Amino acid sequence: DSGVTQTPKHLITATGQRVTLRCSPRSGDLSVYWYQQSLDQGLQFLIQYYNGEERAKGNILERFSAQQFPDLHSELNLSSLELGDSALYFCASSAPGTGHTEAFFGQGTRLTVV
Amino acid sequence: GEDVEQSLFLSVREGDSSVINCTYTDSSSTYLYWYKQEPGAGLQLLTYIFSNMDMKQDQRLTVLLNKKDKHLSLRIADTQTGDSAIYFCAEINQAGTALIFGKGTTLSVSS
Repeated sequence: DSGVTQTPKHLITATGQRVTLRCSPRSGDLSVYWYQQSLDQGLQFLIQYYNGEERAKGNILERFSAQQFPDLHSELNLSSLELGDSALYFCASSAPGTGHTEAFFGQGTRLTVV
Repeated sequence: GEDVEQSLFLSVREGDSSVINCTYTDSSSTYLYWYKQEPGAGLQLLTYIFSNMDMKQDQRLTVLLNKKDKHLSLRIADTQTGDSAIYFCAEINQAGTALIFGKGTTLSVSS
């Protein structure tokens, strides 16, 4: 168990809908990263937050948004869903000063868009 | 741009050594990583190597880094059936803000 909790584990929704994925980082970690794992694109970095502030942005679509709350949990919002958004969405967290050298990943949320 | 390439499949017998290879493009990468993904599980950081090192050993795992050829390998000694998983090579991007992953190598271990 990495200590990073993602909910829900599985989500099935229809095209055009909006969903929210939640991530609780490890205790003490200030950074949260979101990654998308799809069959055709592989693992891609979406966005990073550090202590509530957006720190870095990757290949995140405009239909997607994220935030990190004062209690440090993070949510990834996906809207106007398309079939191609079906993927495994991972959250990772790391402690201050460690960056990716000590990033721990959650078990992911598997999103299926039908 | 930054890119990481790995072979897709490797099949070995239990007890043999496994070697998973990876090439990367960004010569300025400070860290290179190996992650393991088991079915239904998240990504587990196995090990990482700093770019000024040639080799790092951690129990059954040996990482070799050839900076000149931008080649990274992961050797698993005495491979067990429990090592069956997908192994991802990753480098840190130039900005140091994100991991660039390869497509993953599926390791299949037969008894």
